[in-house]
Amino acid sequence: KNEVEQSPQNLTAQEGEFITINCSYSVGISALHWLQQHPGGGIVSLFMLSSGKKKHGRLIATINIQEKHSSLHITASHPRDSAVYICAVSPGANSKLTFGKGITLSVRP
Amino acid sequence: KAGVTQTPRYLIKTRGQQVTLSCSPISGHRSVSWYQQTPGQGLQFLFEYFSETQRNKGNFPGRFSGRQFSNSRSEMNVSTLELGDSALYLCASSLSLNQRRPKNTEAFFGQGTRLTVV
Repeated sequence: KNEVEQSPQNLTAQEGEFITINCSYSVGISALHWLQQHPGGGIVSLFMLSSGKKKHGRLIATINIQEKHSSLHITASHPRDSAVYICAVSPGANSKLTFGKGITLSVRP
Repeated sequence: KAGVTQTPRYLIKTRGQQVTLSCSPISGHRSVSWYQQTPGQGLQFLFEYFSETQRNKGNFPGRFSGRQFSNSRSEMNVSTLELGDSALYLCASSLSLNQRRPKNTEAFFGQGTRLTVV
């Protein structure tokens, strides 16, 4: 069974700060997903990564397959980035996801 | 393109009752997965359907079941509800083109159904 660990547990930042959220997993995977969940429950898929790095707007996600580690970076953070950020991994041959517990990010104006 | 639609959004049931939740995937998506989210356990995989067949199942009791229709819409059913079944139930759809060797594609989530069992 894959264990997915996220750090830090909770995060508070000032608007404009550069933020990094980490994710480590224990077993080799096919893909890693970064998800965002706002109060009210809806989940948005931010990135799906198999290798390397992806960028979308102010968000950057990287993955190191050898080290079983991924990071999500938020540049020029904004209060609207306040949400829970969840890392999830997919095993080799199907889309069954195993999730981390999520990081609660609060960005203060 | 419409997103993933889950109905109802909110539901209150009493212990012992049963409940059916519905998920309409994005048009063209053939894979639908269901997840349960609770404060204690976080997000957990329930099951996945592809082309009307259950392709994967998580570690939940037999009271939790699901099905998928020919139009890819999916339902999940929970029988003999317990207080601990109170949770946010999320479904996600993805393209998953090849059934034999499923390709990982991005998952699109619905807003969820919040079930409260009293």
